[in-house]
Amino acid sequence: DTAVSQTPKYLVTQMGNDKSIKCEQNLGHDTMYWYKQDSKKFLKIMFSYNNKELIINETVPNRFSPKSPDKAHLNLHINSLELGDSAVYFCASSHLDRPSTDTQYFGPGTRLTVL
Amino acid sequence: ILNVEQSPQSLHVQEGDSTNFTCSFPSSNFYALHWYRWETAKSPEALFVMTLNGDEKKKGRISATLNTKEGYSYLYIKGSQPEDSATYLCAFLDGGATNKLIFGTGTLLAVQP
Repeated sequence: DTAVSQTPKYLVTQMGNDKSIKCEQNLGHDTMYWYKQDSKKFLKIMFSYNNKELIINETVPNRFSPKSPDKAHLNLHINSLELGDSAVYFCASSHLDRPSTDTQYFGPGTRLTVL
Repeated sequence: ILNVEQSPQSLHVQEGDSTNFTCSFPSSNFYALHWYRWETAKSPEALFVMTLNGDEKKKGRISATLNTKEGYSYLYIKGSQPEDSATYLCAFLDGGATNKLIFGTGTLLAVQP
């Protein structure tokens, strides 16, 4: 029944490691997003893919690389993790062709802690 | 840089009080404004998508209005209940082909029984 799911829910890792967060949606949406919730609880867009094509790429370090194997999945890979990467990362999905009516549906978030 | 601002930052009310928050956004190149409700330890859930100047939307005790010409939206909660406690986010849809949402910082509402 889960609409947008993320794994893992919690991720604790050491500085310098490489890690991935997975996201899957079963809503039939064609667009998926990654957001970062910073220390001030602010939600900021990082990336967006439409039908496996990157359409939003905000100013994030190139250690962050999204990968979309198909339109139902958008994974986030982070290389050489730094302390400042600690945050909650949210995945979301929507229909791109209904921007004025369709909301974005969010996953439960992945809390990443870099030690 | 597009700014979406919300006020107040936080609000503490008693059960039964009615309350309202403000979202300010750029008035040019408007496509849509979204309102989300975000409970602690959960994910944001959509409340409303508003597109037309003068729009009013309602869901139960929660309603919202939109003024695109002056760039603001109000969210109203009538007779607040403890279960209304959450952060209320507005998000401006930065038009074009990418569906990019610019979120405000939210208004944290705490309703005390």
